[in-house]
Amino acid sequence: QQPVQSPQAVILREGEDAVINCSSSKALYSVHWYRQKHGEAPVFLMILLKGGEQKGHEKISASFNEKKQQSSLYLTASQLSYSGTYFCGTIRAGTALIFGKGTTLSVSS
Amino acid sequence: SQTIHQWPATLVQPVGSPLSLECTVEGTSNPNLYWYRQAAGRGLQLLFYSVGIGQISSEVPQNLSASRPQDRQFILSSKKLLLSDSGFYLCAWSGERGYGNTIYFGEGSWLTVV
Repeated sequence: QQPVQSPQAVILREGEDAVINCSSSKALYSVHWYRQKHGEAPVFLMILLKGGEQKGHEKISASFNEKKQQSSLYLTASQLSYSGTYFCGTIRAGTALIFGKGTTLSVSS
Repeated sequence: SQTIHQWPATLVQPVGSPLSLECTVEGTSNPNLYWYRQAAGRGLQLLFYSVGIGQISSEVPQNLSASRPQDRQFILSSKKLLLSDSGFYLCAWSGERGYGNTIYFGEGSWLTVV
């Protein structure tokens, strides 16, 4: 089952913060976050494996609440380079990664 | 280190023509292999995945097929393309199974069906 992402789009100015949410109606054992620039392949950001686990990548961090079956991606003091589409993914059947529909982030100066 | 190559990078094909996209992975053995498709402005749709030679799981039957003739080679094919097949096709690989399964993408192939 495809995870649900919100919001669909975010518009920010440099230095502002944003939160992207990812939830599932089924039990989550891991959450994977990717960023895709226009016209390019998605790039892996981070994976969260345990309930309550938090990870960071530069000024981007994420949390995973296994009980609530959701994860949130936090972008702090956004930079122009953060622009792109963010996807969360969940593993199905131990093998296939299924992605949400994505959240488009636009950062302007 | 592991690398993934995908080709061709772009192609324009007429409706009804065949398709063959190829992907190879280097620097690892027995990878999981995947084909995803992304229609313009849309999300990443899983088409096929393979856990071994000759083992293909299909998510989207339609008019596409996949084959894995060698351990690190994955091919996406169609006998007759439709306009709706246009999109960005991404091959991907992973080295693990289970929930820690990090997937890495190739550079993608842009397909325009005219």
